Amino acid sequence: QVQLQQWGAGLLKPSETLSLTCGVFGGSFSGYYWNWIRQSPEKGLEWIAEINHSGSTIYNPSLKSRATISVDTSKNQFSLKLTSVTAADTAVYYCGGLRSCSSGSCHFWFDPWGQGTLVTVSS
Amino acid sequence: EIVLTQSPGTLSLSPGEGATLSCRASESVSSRYLAWYQQKPGQAPRLLMYGASNRATGIPDRFSGSGSGTDFTLTISRLEPEDFAVYYCQHYGSSPLHTFGQGTKVEMK
Repeated sequence: QVQLQQWGAGLLKPSETLSLTCGVFGGSFSGYYWNWIRQSPEKGLEWIAEINHSGSTIYNPSLKSRATISVDTSKNQFSLKLTSVTAADTAVYYCGGLRSCSSGSCHFWFDPWGQGTLVTVSS
Repeated sequence: EIVLTQSPGTLSLSPGEGATLSCRASESVSSRYLAWYQQKPGQAPRLLMYGASNRATGIPDRFSGSGSGTDFTLTISRLEPEDFAVYYCQHYGSSPLHTFGQGTKVEMK
């Protein structure tokens, strides 16, 4: 069963770059699309970006100019960088997996999820 | 962008009662692309239902999902103490690729 464990800095100053990494354990790294999602009281759950094992990416247009999702298949990890953070980027950030299509069956939902990382942006 | 609107915002119920949660899409969507999650304080969301009406692995049968088009429903037949949580619907779409409703909190009366 695939499990996700995420890590990264939890306190940033405005204009700094957020950097988070998610490790994938116990399953097929290439069998999923890997995602970052964030949650704040103001915006609720907000999807940020998706990447597959080949490095193909899709971004939320609202964050595309500042977000970069990347993958390291040698370590079964994927990462998120978000530049020029402001207080509005304060949120709990989750990594999540969405199983790739297989034998004509496609998944459109997130399972599993990482444990979440609270990122606070404050001067 | 498809907007998901959940109602009510909060449900105050007692254990043993039934709960009906609504998720309304701003335009017609395929039920294949509609999922529900449960979230408890300090935890990540947990997949409950996928394809609108299919229970995820390990989800008890007191949870059921239904709906089509723009209106989807999550029903909890008899609330257990562990069911008091926040519930979110999610849609897989075009741009942005995924959207979530704002959530319904089921609280103990």
